[in-house]
Amino acid sequence: KAGVTQTPRYLIKTRGQQVTLSCSPISGHRSVSWYQQTPGQGLQFLFEYFSETQRNKGNFPGRFSGRQFSNSRSEMNVSTLELGDSALYLCASSAGTSGTETQYFGPGTRLLVL
Amino acid sequence: AQKVTQAQTEISVVEKEDVTLDCVYETRDTTYYLFWYKQPPSGELVFLIRRNSFDEQNEISGRYSWNFQKSTSSFNFTITASQVVDSAVYFCALSHQGGSEKLVFGKGTKLTVNP
Repeated sequence: KAGVTQTPRYLIKTRGQQVTLSCSPISGHRSVSWYQQTPGQGLQFLFEYFSETQRNKGNFPGRFSGRQFSNSRSEMNVSTLELGDSALYLCASSAGTSGTETQYFGPGTRLLVL
Repeated sequence: AQKVTQAQTEISVVEKEDVTLDCVYETRDTTYYLFWYKQPPSGELVFLIRRNSFDEQNEISGRYSWNFQKSTSSFNFTITASQVVDSAVYFCALSHQGGSEKLVFGKGTKLTVNP
């Protein structure tokens, strides 16, 4: 089975712009979660989608949003970018049916905000 | 609230040494799940092991072993006869049974294995 894929792998944006990141889960997986990784804060949970519905949300401002499509692919959007949004954004997928499945991660998207 | 503490920020060893990475967790849940992930320089988090709160059996997988002790809320990870390829950041994580896949991660331990 192919693993979790994320596009793009690298992105450079300027403050005030918006960005959309994409994640394709492992085939058959219905849950997609997003995490932000920064040197200062570490790995932080952004949100989780299951069957096109947001099932959980972390403590991030409303500028961070996401969605999931019927084929389980997910996108996250960050509007009005700030310098502090520079991070590695990791997507993870799991079967998701029980809420306790193992998550498998993609390679991440490295976002640099200038 | 759930919390995972990895007190060791960085560890440096010489190849073939054994090394133990510590993980201490806090949770009020009676049912929860513990994980270890490895993050090589490429950035992708690689799943290593998952353990549920009802299974305190220690596990060995090749050069890797895990020691889960509920009494001390610890889930430590040992690499035997370390190799240069083991160099990475290792994360311990916690999730609870509650209809969501949210993981709470520790800050990670950077392991450097020198030849």
